[in-house]
Amino acid sequence: NAGVTQTPKFQVLKTGQSMTLQCAQDMNHNSMYWYRQDPGMGLRLIYYSASEGTTDKGEVPNGYNVSRLNKREFSLRLESAAPSQTSVYFCASSEIHGQIYGYTFGSGTRLTVV
Amino acid sequence: QKEVEQNSGPLSVPEGAIASLNCTYSDRGSQSFFWYRQYSGKSPELIMSIYSNGDKEDGRFTAQLNKASQYVSLLIRDSQPSDSATYLCAVNGRNYGQNFVFGPGTRLSVLP
Repeated sequence: NAGVTQTPKFQVLKTGQSMTLQCAQDMNHNSMYWYRQDPGMGLRLIYYSASEGTTDKGEVPNGYNVSRLNKREFSLRLESAAPSQTSVYFCASSEIHGQIYGYTFGSGTRLTVV
Repeated sequence: QKEVEQNSGPLSVPEGAIASLNCTYSDRGSQSFFWYRQYSGKSPELIMSIYSNGDKEDGRFTAQLNKASQYVSLLIRDSQPSDSATYLCAVNGRNYGQNFVFGPGTRLSVLP
């Protein structure tokens, strides 16, 4: 099983450009998440989808949008990239959104905005 | 006060020693606690979960939880160079459907 697959792995954008980060999981998980990881800041939740058909804002949603395309796929879109969005982005999934389930993470996307 | 705090390290221990990693949290209502291991340039990997006060052992790893003092720790016995990584503490919070809040991580270096 592939688990959680993210594409692309690396990306360089110019300020103002847009892009979509793709995420797909093959574990039949109900819940999916987008995090960003910055040095010294830990993982911060951008958006999450507790179940197919629902999406909710996390701690740092400004500048991002998401789409839960189906049960398997959860995409993150940057409409107008800014240097402050330079980060490592992780997609994760969980069997059910709730306090007793851990996450499986994708391999990450390293995004640089110049 | 940050919701989840960890000493950023690096914590250096000799091979074969016990590594002790600590995490404190601010929300007294938290009920679930996880430890993730993250190798440099890789994604976090779940290694331990704990929900009740006391100790939980899994191989060389022991998680300890003290809800009254609001701390959770991870002990790694017989540390190996392959244990060198950043260890992230995650605690369920009040927000975002009780989603998990991650600490900044402690970098562990096991010296051969």
